[in-house]
Amino acid sequence: DAGVTQSPTHLIKTRGQQVTLRCSPKSGHDTVSWYQQALGQGPQFIFQYYEEEERQRGNFPDRFSGHQFPNYSSELNVNALLLGDSALYLCASSRGQTAYNEQFFGPGTRLTVL
Amino acid sequence: SQQGEEDPQALSIQEGENATMNCSYKTSINNLQWYRQNSGRGLVHLILIRSNEREKHSGRLRVTLDTSKKSSSLLITASRAADTASYFCATGRNTGTASKLTFGTGTRLQVTL
Repeated sequence: DAGVTQSPTHLIKTRGQQVTLRCSPKSGHDTVSWYQQALGQGPQFIFQYYEEEERQRGNFPDRFSGHQFPNYSSELNVNALLLGDSALYLCASSRGQTAYNEQFFGPGTRLTVL
Repeated sequence: SQQGEEDPQALSIQEGENATMNCSYKTSINNLQWYRQNSGRGLVHLILIRSNEREKHSGRLRVTLDTSKKSSSLLITASRAADTASYFCATGRNTGTASKLTFGTGTRLQVTL
């Protein structure tokens, strides 16, 4: 049973560019959430997708957008990259939207913006 | 913004000793989850405790939850060098159409031989 997978592992971009990160949820999970973790900090909630719709959004600008596909996989897109977007981006999956279920995380994508 | 804080920020113990980490939060919750993170990698889920539970065990882990004090603690017994990692508590809350986790800033645990 594969857990949550993310690609790529590492990514280096320059300011102003655009990036797409990908996530495949754990088998049997239908909800995907994205988090940003700056160095030395705890993860910060970006948004959550369920039934191919963005259900809730954290305090992130519109440069951050996402998508969920019919197979429950998801993408995170960041436009007009800033130096401050350098972080570890984590995807988490869960069964349903309820907060009563565990959220399982992938290994993350390390994004460096130069 | 961070929901709560872990205490202490850093903890150094010897192998075989017990490690206790505390977590405080600010708003009402549906559950609280503890995660481990090694060297900036992905988060490993350790344990989930629901808001109507007071204590939960899993192997060498013991978690308590006091909703009246808005606090939780994670006890790791008989620690091992492999337990060296950062530990995060995350509060889960239903918000009508979604649920999200709000993380603290973490406790960095160092277990030495």
